[in-house]
Amino acid sequence: DAGVIQSPRHEVTEMGQEVTLRCKPISGHNSLFWYRQTMMRGLELLIYFNNNVPIDDSGMPEDRFSAKMPNASFSTLKIQPSEPRDSAVYFCASKDDRFSTTGELFFGEGSRLTVL
Amino acid sequence: KQEVTQIPAALSVPEGENLVLNCSFTDSAIYNLQWFRQDPGKGLTSLLLIQSSQREQTSGRLNASLDKSSGRSTLYIAASQPGDSATYLCLSGAGSYQLTFGKGTKLSVIP
Repeated sequence: DAGVIQSPRHEVTEMGQEVTLRCKPISGHNSLFWYRQTMMRGLELLIYFNNNVPIDDSGMPEDRFSAKMPNASFSTLKIQPSEPRDSAVYFCASKDDRFSTTGELFFGEGSRLTVL
Repeated sequence: KQEVTQIPAALSVPEGENLVLNCSFTDSAIYNLQWFRQDPGKGLTSLLLIQSSQREQTSGRLNASLDKSSGRSTLYIAASQPGDSATYLCLSGAGSYQLTFGKGTKLSVIP
């Protein structure tokens, strides 16, 4: 399997612009997570999907952030409008929870976002 | 609320040494414990996953142990190499998404 695939790997944009990050989970995995990593705060869970349904979005910082999972093989995280404090590495991760909640978590390579 | 602590935050050792990385957690009601490594500018790579019913897992030069009663897990690296230099993170799992990361230990192996 190709693993969790994220795009773009790097994004540089100006404040106020819309940013869309994309994720393709591992085939067969039914749980998908979006994380944000910064030096100051470490890894923060933004949102968790199970079977394409958002279960917990309490980590989404504010209304400027939104996430969708239209099907089992694709998810997006959108920031509109973007601000400099959104600069971070955004990770997508997936695991197989179909038969157990104790599955191994796999991460993508991340999308490094810089907002000028 | 689960809290996961990794001490020390950074560790430097000479090549060839055996070393132990520590991970402690406050709530012992976990389902599993997972260890990752993260290289600069990269994603997290899963190293070992220990289920709550297990005491340890081994992969090559790596051995991870889990002691739920004491709230501790350790990652043992034998015969360390410069290529082992990375940040190592532990993750406690207590459900589908009740996942708590430690802040990591940055390991430097000096040739």
